[in-house]
Amino acid sequence: AQSVTQPDIHITVSEGASLELRCNYSYGATPYLFWYVQSPGQGLQLLLKYFSGDTLVQGIKGFEAEFKRSQSSFNLRKPSVHWSDAAEYFCAVGPEKLTFGTGTRLTIIP
Amino acid sequence: DGGITQSPKYLFRKEGQNVTLSCEQNLNHDAMYWYRQDPGQGLRLIYYSQIVNDFQKGDIAEGYSVSREKKESFPLTVTSAQKNPTAFYLCASSSSAGSTDTQYFGPGTRLTVL
Repeated sequence: AQSVTQPDIHITVSEGASLELRCNYSYGATPYLFWYVQSPGQGLQLLLKYFSGDTLVQGIKGFEAEFKRSQSSFNLRKPSVHWSDAAEYFCAVGPEKLTFGTGTRLTIIP
Repeated sequence: DGGITQSPKYLFRKEGQNVTLSCEQNLNHDAMYWYRQDPGQGLRLIYYSQIVNDFQKGDIAEGYSVSREKKESFPLTVTSAQKNPTAFYLCASSSSAGSTDTQYFGPGTRLTVL
């Protein structure tokens, strides 16, 4: 069975600082990996996804993620955060029906 | 403007009452999904449908029912059998049920049982 873990419940970052959100997965073969973002009281928006090929994936809003098979990780990064990036971020794994992590809430301080 | 609409945004229900949440999409997607979101638990799959007139149970289907009579619509009924129905409900759709197909989400319905 597949599973995904987001170790950080809440992260606070200063505006302009770099960001890394952690995601670890468990799956026997090559996983399909996704990062979604959710603003308060809203639905989820896809940031990026990985199925195969280049392990560094570029997404929307300046985000990127790197698939590391040896570490079973798919961490999300952004070089410089903006106040509008404050939201909750979910990692998800396939290829069976999507399994979501419990999310990481990102707070941005001025 | 293509997308997924869910109504109502907020819903209040008395204990013992059934309630139906609406989900409509105009993306011409074959597959549709219902998720439940609780604080600290992420999203959990309730039901999904890969095609009209067909649907399958997800991980937490007990106390819920769905129908898929039209491609565009996938309503979710929360029955009185659902022990703890207060939650945020999200509907999603994808072009097919294939693993690589991106799921697009609606804005959600927050259900509160009084």
